Amino acid sequence: ETGVTQTPRHLVMGMTNKKSLKCEQHLGHNAMYWYKQSAKKPLELMFVYNFKEQTENNSVPSRFSPECPNSSHLFLHLHTLQPEDSALYLCASSQEGTGAKGNTIYFGEGSWLTVV
Amino acid sequence: GENVEQHPSTLSVQEGDSAVIKCTYSDSASNYFPWYKQELGKRPQLIIDIRSNVGEKKDQRIAVTLNKTAKHFSLHITETQPEDSAVYFCAASITGNQFYFGTGTSLTVIP
Repeated sequence: ETGVTQTPRHLVMGMTNKKSLKCEQHLGHNAMYWYKQSAKKPLELMFVYNFKEQTENNSVPSRFSPECPNSSHLFLHLHTLQPEDSALYLCASSQEGTGAKGNTIYFGEGSWLTVV
Repeated sequence: GENVEQHPSTLSVQEGDSAVIKCTYSDSASNYFPWYKQELGKRPQLIIDIRSNVGEKKDQRIAVTLNKTAKHFSLHITETQPEDSAVYFCAASITGNQFYFGTGTSLTVIP
């Protein structure tokens, strides 16, 4: 069971390539996130979108470019990445506001990115 | 902003024993505290959560306690089984937005 789907699940790209990660949530949530998870490191919040508007960008390099065309879809455009960018990229969604059931954050399965 | 600290970073227990993971938070406005389990190669999944108006919540072998005064909350797993082996993350949130995660605890249950 997952209300958040990510594609592709695995991606290998060269440092000069341009690729995109896609995320779609079917939960009716109004907030979507990109997290980076590297080996032996905590979850790193990259971007937050509320109602399609970017509300947080945690000093992420410009080679990562998010796009949120609507409240159900989120993209992460990748350009001229470095090998140290290899990681698991997790998309997530939640419902902002008090009173909503749970208010928790739901993760997608993640996209394993390898930069060669 | 909020700061969530989690201890220990690794934990090994014998099968059948209990495991306890502790987290502290800094922002007294945080009112929602979920716990996630992440098995190797898989996404983090919610296992239990607690709101600030509740002191304790239990779901079978898993329980979470919250001390608002001290700003800490804990995950308790009783009668541990090998399938409990995973990385566990705590988080703190205000109104279901801006989730702040702990650094994770790698739990190993030894058969």
